[in-house]
Amino acid sequence: DVKVTQSSRYLVKRTGEKVFLECVQDMDHENMFWYRQDPGLGLRLIYFSYDVKMKEKGDIPEGYSVSREKKERFSLILESASTNQTSMYLCASLPLNPGLYGYTFGSGTRLTVV
Amino acid sequence: DAKTTQPTSMDCAEGRAANLPCNHSTISGNEYVYWYRQIHSQGPQYIIHGLKNNETNEMASLIITEDRKSSTLILPHATLRDTAVYYCIVRVGDNYGQNFVFGPGTRLSVLP
Repeated sequence: DVKVTQSSRYLVKRTGEKVFLECVQDMDHENMFWYRQDPGLGLRLIYFSYDVKMKEKGDIPEGYSVSREKKERFSLILESASTNQTSMYLCASLPLNPGLYGYTFGSGTRLTVV
Repeated sequence: DAKTTQPTSMDCAEGRAANLPCNHSTISGNEYVYWYRQIHSQGPQYIIHGLKNNETNEMASLIITEDRKSSTLILPHATLRDTAVYYCIVRVGDNYGQNFVFGPGTRLSVLP
């Protein structure tokens, strides 16, 4: 069974901390994505990557950075966490030709910044 | 990618068929229709997709109109566990590196 695994289900961090959210996929997918989901705002794309060491900004990249050193791993970094980054974070992967199944999502990380 | 329109919410009785509509009147010839659902506090889950023909899998059926301007997702025998937000997305099938755009979706409540 194919999987996208996010390292933490729940996370509580303090304002100003550097936060790492990790995502690993075992499907050899080229593309990986980070979204955040907030009530009433739906899923919003933060960053995506279509290859190792490649990254592209999504709709709301401010306050975030990403790292993709290996094909299977895509990390989201909050350089200095703020309370407005409290949210559900979702990682997804997508093969080069998504005609078959489209996205596979992880279970999400619910981050609370206090 | 084409925009989609879905009802905000729907109810369905347990054991009955749930029919979720989606309008995508500006769909292009090379765009697929995808359906995902999101159960509370989980990541969205792929259900089914199609291009022109109707499709069926173990989860659902997808009916696409002949002009492709609308589609219907059918859950043949809805259960309480089917309560979720259902997203209809249209997207070019081999659009390299491009993301899927999730709208607000339809909140389906399956009632006992």
